[in-house]
Amino acid sequence: ETGVTQTPRHLVMGMTNKKSLKCEQHLGHNAMYWYKQSAKKPLELMFVYSLEERVENNSVPSRFSPECPNSSHLFLHLHTLQPEDSALYLCASSQDWVAGSSSPLHFGNGTRLTVT
Amino acid sequence: TQLLEQSPQFLSIQEGENLTVYCNSSSVFSSLQWYRQEPGEGPVLLVTVVTGGEVKKLKRLTFQFGDARKDSSLHITAAQPGDTGLYLCAGAGGNKLVFGAGTILRVKS
Repeated sequence: ETGVTQTPRHLVMGMTNKKSLKCEQHLGHNAMYWYKQSAKKPLELMFVYSLEERVENNSVPSRFSPECPNSSHLFLHLHTLQPEDSALYLCASSQDWVAGSSSPLHFGNGTRLTVT
Repeated sequence: TQLLEQSPQFLSIQEGENLTVYCNSSSVFSSLQWYRQEPGEGPVLLVTVVTGGEVKKLKRLTFQFGDARKDSSLHITAAQPGDTGLYLCAGAGGNKLVFGAGTILRVKS
């Protein structure tokens, strides 16, 4: 399998639940990202990992907790979310990460999250 | 704060028509990327433009980077239903990649 794979594709959770999103990349890339995509809004960068080290955290609420156990896998742990957190969560990877660089991003197909 | 504004927000056209979508900012970017996102999928990179005034062609798609590297346009000739999707521009500058909100294109057969 090639590319960036995200699971699950769809997730419905209550505000008191704990769930995790999974991302796996088969491209040999060194950087991985979590983005939030809401309708009619720009993609919001949440977290960046480079060589398994978190290099960027854009003021994301603590109810979102990322984990990067190795360069191929990225998780987003979710707990006590709010209805406004409902969105498409996209994982991406790039060959390397350099702040402000134009390294092409390879995206997964996303997890559509609904918080009830 | 760097912002990228994309216009129009939504465009619905008939197959065979030509169209142009725009990506504008008051900020200068070192490069600019265009992505297309089809329903149910993630964005896919179409092109990266780096030099002011640069023009790149990808089959029926023509991308242009403004001379001042603050804006870009995407022109599609003879649009086809397969061109339907969300077109996103993203500018690299400062210390991050900034995305626009996108243009939703629908091409009817």
